[in-house]
Amino acid sequence: GAVVSQHPSRVICKSGTSVKIECRSLDFQATTMFWYRQFPKKSLMLMATSNEGSKATYEQGVEKDKFLINHASLTLSTLTVTSAHPEDSSFYICSAKPSGNTIYFGEGSWLTVV
Amino acid sequence: AQSVTQLGSHVSVSEGALVLLRCNYSSSVPPYLFWYVQYPNQGLQLLLKYTSAATLVKGINGFEAEFKKSETSFHLTKPSAHMSDAAEYFCAVTPGNTPLVFGKGTRLSVIA
Repeated sequence: GAVVSQHPSRVICKSGTSVKIECRSLDFQATTMFWYRQFPKKSLMLMATSNEGSKATYEQGVEKDKFLINHASLTLSTLTVTSAHPEDSSFYICSAKPSGNTIYFGEGSWLTVV
Repeated sequence: AQSVTQLGSHVSVSEGALVLLRCNYSSSVPPYLFWYVQYPNQGLQLLLKYTSAATLVKGINGFEAEFKKSETSFHLTKPSAHMSDAAEYFCAVTPGNTPLVFGKGTRLSVIA
């Protein structure tokens, strides 16, 4: 079946630094990928829609300058958390959709900012 | 606009008992409905999906869900709970080409 891979699965960074999370579709091409954020014991919150070859579409309240999304190819989208702060610590999940309506998720990336 | 309501943030069942996780949706167009499971510290795994074919959908690990348009429901069931079923379960809806809208999740605990 379709597989979406995220890397790294866990990352710890110092406050003020930037960290990049990759989302890859391993066996299909995805013109659109989605990035979600999940706070502890909360549901998933859609952050942005990543479109291959164009700018991402951010949800209301999500800082586009802080959460940089790049969808450089049909199999790769990256989320860069810039100038990270402890409140950015969270679980970040990407998803992608091959043809059809089933959406597949990556394994998620735990970000801890210290 | 689409929305999902999961009744009960926490459900506890005994091992071997019936599992029933409730999901009601709101959609202005025929929806596609999904149940995902999230085990601790892991990403989301697709359990099953409804995409306008059979209303009773069978998924992995013995789970199934029935789409009831008249009740706008898509409840998840499993006849006999297993300890390994303990996880967070999310119901989600999409009209097709837009991101999923998730419910708030239901945490399932299984008691030995």
